[in-house]
Amino acid sequence: KQEVTQIPAALSVPEGENLVLNCSFTDSAIYNLQWFRQDPGKGLTSLLLIQSSQREQTSGRLNASLDKSSGRSTLYIAASQPGDSATYLCAVRLLILTGGGNKLTFGTGTQLKVEL
Amino acid sequence: EPEVTQTPSHQVTQMGQEVILRCVPISNHLYFYWYRQILGQKVEFLVSFYNNEISEKSEIFDDQFSVERPDGSNFTLKIRSTKLEDSAMYFCASRPGGVLNTEAFFGQGTRLTVV
Repeated sequence: KQEVTQIPAALSVPEGENLVLNCSFTDSAIYNLQWFRQDPGKGLTSLLLIQSSQREQTSGRLNASLDKSSGRSTLYIAASQPGDSATYLCAVRLLILTGGGNKLTFGTGTQLKVEL
Repeated sequence: EPEVTQTPSHQVTQMGQEVILRCVPISNHLYFYWYRQILGQKVEFLVSFYNNEISEKSEIFDDQFSVERPDGSNFTLKIRSTKLEDSAMYFCASRPGGVLNTEAFFGQGTRLTVV
């Protein structure tokens, strides 16, 4: 059974700092990994999708890396801003050859606070 | 930009009542999902739906739950007899077909409170 863990559970940084969020998963037979942002009481906003064959994916100040063999992904946020304050979730999609499901398994999340 | 929409945003219901949560996935998407998140816990998979049938369901998705795509645009989750422990945020998601390496798009969620 796939288990996804995120460290740290919570993080508080001053504005402008670069930071790294970590995600680890137990089953390396993944098809892709997706990073989401969740604001309090709100839905999930997709940030980046990184395919199993990729090492990195970038969008603006965000950079996601994937090391499938070691079961790890990181989300790097450059020059953090107060508006980045949210919970960040990683989710993996396993490689399943039959059926049309291919569900996402979510991590525990990292709650980020960027202070002025 | 296309988005997944869910209604209502918040529903309060009495224990034992039936509820229907509604979702309009992104048009031309082929895979549809329901997930839920109990307050303070992980987002959990409930069910996936493809080609007008359930393709996978979790242990949570017991006989009290059902899904339907009645008219080619809506995608509903029904809970027949709600329990207190069904209180959670329910998320609908959809993704395109064709290849597996596609992004899932989530709605804003319906907060269900069972009293």
